[in-house]
Amino acid sequence: DGGITQSPKYLFRKEGQNVTLSCEQNLNHDAMYWYRQDPGQGLRLIYYSQIVNDFQKGDIAEGYSVSREKKESFPLTVTSAQKNPTAFYLCASSMRWSNEQFFGPGTRLTVL
Amino acid sequence: AQSVTQLDSQVPVFEEAPVELRCNYSSSVSVYLFWYVQYPNQGLQLLLKYLSGSTLVKSINGFEAEFNKSQTSFHLRKPSVHISDTAEYFCAVTQTGANAGKSTFGDGTTLTVKP
Repeated sequence: DGGITQSPKYLFRKEGQNVTLSCEQNLNHDAMYWYRQDPGQGLRLIYYSQIVNDFQKGDIAEGYSVSREKKESFPLTVTSAQKNPTAFYLCASSMRWSNEQFFGPGTRLTVL
Repeated sequence: AQSVTQLDSQVPVFEEAPVELRCNYSSSVSVYLFWYVQYPNQGLQLLLKYLSGSTLVKSINGFEAEFNKSQTSFHLRKPSVHISDTAEYFCAVTQTGANAGKSTFGDGTTLTVKP
């Protein structure tokens, strides 16, 4: 089955620790995205990548970092510099020039 | 720059009643328009999209939306809702051209269908 996987589904970390969220897709999509979702605020774009080895900041990139070494993978690191990291994180992908995005099931990060 | 406004944060409705979820957008360039649905603790799923052509687009489960360029709206409608339609619905716009793929989402509308 083609799709996007995110792991883990639930993640707990202590304040001050970096944490990396996994996102893998086997849809052969060029573009991948990371969003943050908070209650009542919709989705906010953190980073996106239109092609391997290239990525751009979204609207709320501060405190986050990404890499795109492989077409299938787009991991997101939440660093200790992110002031309020507790949120639901969604990864998505799309064909490069198609705008329909396919979403993973999400990772709920709780920082204690 | 582009923005999306979903005019209702919550819409309660009884089963088998009609429903409209409103979405307005603003953009300085041409856009594509989307409605996504999200069930609790899950990712988003595409419900329907407008890219070009007919301004009325339909989904396989009875939803439809009409692109109105003059009113910059893309309202979602269903003539008769089911309990299973209870979910959060997001309207999204994406710029065409060089920035294709970078989407802006509305804050979402929670549709609650009551028996």
